[in-house]
Amino acid sequence: QIQLVQSGPELKKPGESVKISCKASGYTFTDYAMHWVKQAPGKGLKWMGWINTYTGKPTYADDFKGRFVFSLEASASTANLQISNLKNEDTATYFCARLRRVFYYFDYWGQGVMVTVSS
Amino acid sequence: DIQMTQSPASLSASLGETISIECRASEDIYSNLAWYQQKSGKSPQLLIYAANRLQDGVPSRFSGSGSGTQYSLKISGMQPEDEGDYFCLQGSKFPPTFGGGTKLELK
Repeated sequence: QIQLVQSGPELKKPGESVKISCKASGYTFTDYAMHWVKQAPGKGLKWMGWINTYTGKPTYADDFKGRFVFSLEASASTANLQISNLKNEDTATYFCARLRRVFYYFDYWGQGVMVTVSS
Repeated sequence: DIQMTQSPASLSASLGETISIECRASEDIYSNLAWYQQKSGKSPQLLIYAANRLQDGVPSRFSGSGSGTQYSLKISGMQPEDEGDYFCLQGSKFPPTFGGGTKLELK
């Protein structure tokens, strides 16, 4: 069955970096783009951007340009999100999600990774 | 960006009650609208896509309707397991944008 399995929770200090992984299984990884979504505690969902799993090209939403990097380990069917120079406002759960190209919706989501930034 | 205005922000329903949640888009999204349920500490689960198509495995008490800029999710007969947060998502134009969410509780 189709699954997106993300790495575990992270506790970091301001200024540090974090790398989150999202391993896909049950389908051909390069057939579907991988998107990233942020959910701050008690808040709604915010789209961060996506990575073309065939070419590796990332696209970032305006609020996520600079400190955020999407990457792939295509041989391992894994997408990664790295956040550098962490700030308190990066405290959130980060989801990866697969996009269906017909009607453009996310049909499968990872379980989410809680990143806590605290000194 | 397309703005998605979701209402109400919170809702309390009795067992068996029928409820509706609305999403209004700032422009025509041509039925590229999905609904999700999210339980506390979990990832969103797809309920409806293409405005009115029920995802496999989702109970038939959930239904979606709408067109143009106005869309709604209906739950026909509230069940205890329906408690949670509900979000709409438009995929008509990049970037994809979410509604602000509706917290649904059992009265």
